[in-house]
Amino acid sequence: EVVLTQSPATLSLSPGERATLSCRASQSISSYLAWYQQKPGQAPRLLIYDASAGAPGIPARFSGSGSGTDFTLTIASLEPEDFAVYYCQQRSDWPPYTFGPGTKLEMK
Amino acid sequence: QVLLEESGGRVVQPGRSLRLSCTASGFTFRNYAMHWVRQAPGGGLEWMAVTSFDGDNRYYADSVKGRFTISRDNSKNTLFLQMNSLRAGDTAVYYCVRDSGPVSGGVLDYWGQGTLVIVSS
Repeated sequence: EVVLTQSPATLSLSPGERATLSCRASQSISSYLAWYQQKPGQAPRLLIYDASAGAPGIPARFSGSGSGTDFTLTIASLEPEDFAVYYCQQRSDWPPYTFGPGTKLEMK
Repeated sequence: QVLLEESGGRVVQPGRSLRLSCTASGFTFRNYAMHWVRQAPGGGLEWMAVTSFDGDNRYYADSVKGRFTISRDNSKNTLFLQMNSLRAGDTAVYYCVRDSGPVSGGVLDYWGQGTLVIVSS
């Protein structure tokens, strides 16, 4: 099973700042990584798939990069609505599809 | 727009069974693989099961294999999760999730709002 680790566990930033979230896989997963955003009381929402492809309707300030075992989600300039929990998920080696433990992006 | 509405969650005693349903609208249900993903209270996301567009291919997480069964009725645009031998550790919000393709590609592009299952005596 592919284990995903995310860092940091919590990231405290202010609106307008740049956010960089990391996800590392226990083995190479090529580019088969997605990122999801979850706000309190809501379902997750797909942001990025295949490491760098933006899901429809996702603002351009969200971007993804990486391949192999190391991946990054970048939010170029934080908006107030971006403060949430972010999960990475792999689809390279399944079943099972696995998720990382999440990074909580909180407002400083 | 794509809409997924789960139902069936409730408080159930350990060892009992429960069936969750998910009604889909806003897209051609029979053309997409569908998943169940759960989230324990305060916890992260855990993938449970997937069915291909036609129901012929189904896969499960080891934690539920042999206890849970995913199925679908394409004539009614409905996805099901039959959960047997429930345990306290199955307590979670269960999400119905659409895959981006007809077979399980693993890109989870639309999520329902979830239904809460509490396993407790």
